[in-house]
Amino acid sequence: QQQVKQSPQSLIVQKGGIPIINCAYENTAFDYFPWYQQFPGKGPALLIAIRPDVSEKKEGRFTISFNKSAKQFSLHIMDSQPGDSATYFCAASSGNQFYFGTGTSLTVIP
Amino acid sequence: GAGVSQTPSNKVTEKGKYVELRCDPISGHTALYWYRQSLGQGPEFLIYFQGTGAADDSGLPNDRFFAVRPEGSVSTLKIQRTERGDSAVYLCASSLLGGAGEQFFGPGTRLTVL
Repeated sequence: QQQVKQSPQSLIVQKGGIPIINCAYENTAFDYFPWYQQFPGKGPALLIAIRPDVSEKKEGRFTISFNKSAKQFSLHIMDSQPGDSATYFCAASSGNQFYFGTGTSLTVIP
Repeated sequence: GAGVSQTPSNKVTEKGKYVELRCDPISGHTALYWYRQSLGQGPEFLIYFQGTGAADDSGLPNDRFFAVRPEGSVSTLKIQRTERGDSAVYLCASSLLGGAGEQFFGPGTRLTVL
């Protein structure tokens, strides 16, 4: 069973738009929530991560919003650029076990 | 400095054969992870090493899969009697200490079982 549910499966936005990718989890033992970016033929690369004691974290154009009571978290990409076109994965972990979402394929149209 | 490297980048084998996939982690990283990524899916945890020992192998799908890290650096994922369902990209990641530390992924080995 999928430990982390991610949506949407794919997303197309215009340059400058703000794509939002959502994830939900059930296991309250999860205590670390990273987001990864993956380009074709490459391994995932860490973008930004959050712990459940904060509700928002921002790094550059990337923001994570975290809702502990709803067990949901989301990634917002401000002022999206064509170079942001990639697949994005959310993940959740407890200890050394990491569970990934199914991914969102983002296309940013110039 | 070098990142995580994996060899081979592609491996095509026949059903029933044995394969070995190699991972060279970032120097000094004590934690090493293996994941399997099927088409259109996220990475699926297989096994985690802390140093030389497999601290958590609960993700290995069955006893055809085995991994070693004899000197606490390079790791080899071994798959016996391969099946077509084993076809996937096998990713390796390393982390300085493990836990919630950043994992650095290699480019993966694409395994195709005919």
